[in-house]
Amino acid sequence: SAVISQKPSRDICQRGTSLTIQCQVDSQVTMMFWYRQQPGQSLTLIATANQGSEATYESGFVIDKFPISRPNLTFSTLTVSNMSPEDSSIYLCSVKGRKRPMNTEAFFGQGTRLTVV
Amino acid sequence: KQEVTQIPAALSVPEGENLVLNCSFTDSAIYNLQWFRQDPGKGLTSLLLIQSSQREQTSGRLNASLDKSSGRSTLYIAASQPGDSATYLCAVPAGRRALTFGSGTRLQVQP
Repeated sequence: SAVISQKPSRDICQRGTSLTIQCQVDSQVTMMFWYRQQPGQSLTLIATANQGSEATYESGFVIDKFPISRPNLTFSTLTVSNMSPEDSSIYLCSVKGRKRPMNTEAFFGQGTRLTVV
Repeated sequence: KQEVTQIPAALSVPEGENLVLNCSFTDSAIYNLQWFRQDPGKGLTSLLLIQSSQREQTSGRLNASLDKSSGRSTLYIAASQPGDSATYLCAVPAGRRALTFGSGTRLQVQP
């Protein structure tokens, strides 16, 4: 299993500002993902964080709004830019192992609970 | 496109009851299926992972079954306890190896 440290755990931010969320894993992993969970909803994939290259974004999510970095196999950041109250959600980092990632278990961080006022 | 559905959306039971949560998926060509637990405002805790070649997986009071051909999985919780109160999510791998989630079942176990 992987231990994932996600920071901050929660934050209250002013509209128009940006917040960077960090995800640190205790072992090298192949796949890192960022999800959003809006209030009362299930999880939606934002993007796949690719080491050393641009992230792969899902439909409806763009790099200007959600820039992602992944400088190595154990660390990634997600920035929520120019925030509005609609960005209030839980943001979750997820990882899958190095070998046969399609078959392996996915692990999640404890999430970042963001409130935009 | 894979779609995952969970029923019921919410469930309230007295302590000690056995219960079943249901998950269905539209594309049966899955590698595995994973069940998670989520406490309010928190992240996800992995409960069970069933590979496509398996029919069942057990962990303590939890038992998950998988019927790929019919596109269904169930999570059975035996002798439920108030500490089991949480939202339970099922998920299957989608394109690019991320997960597609159901909408969850919110479980409340009354003491």
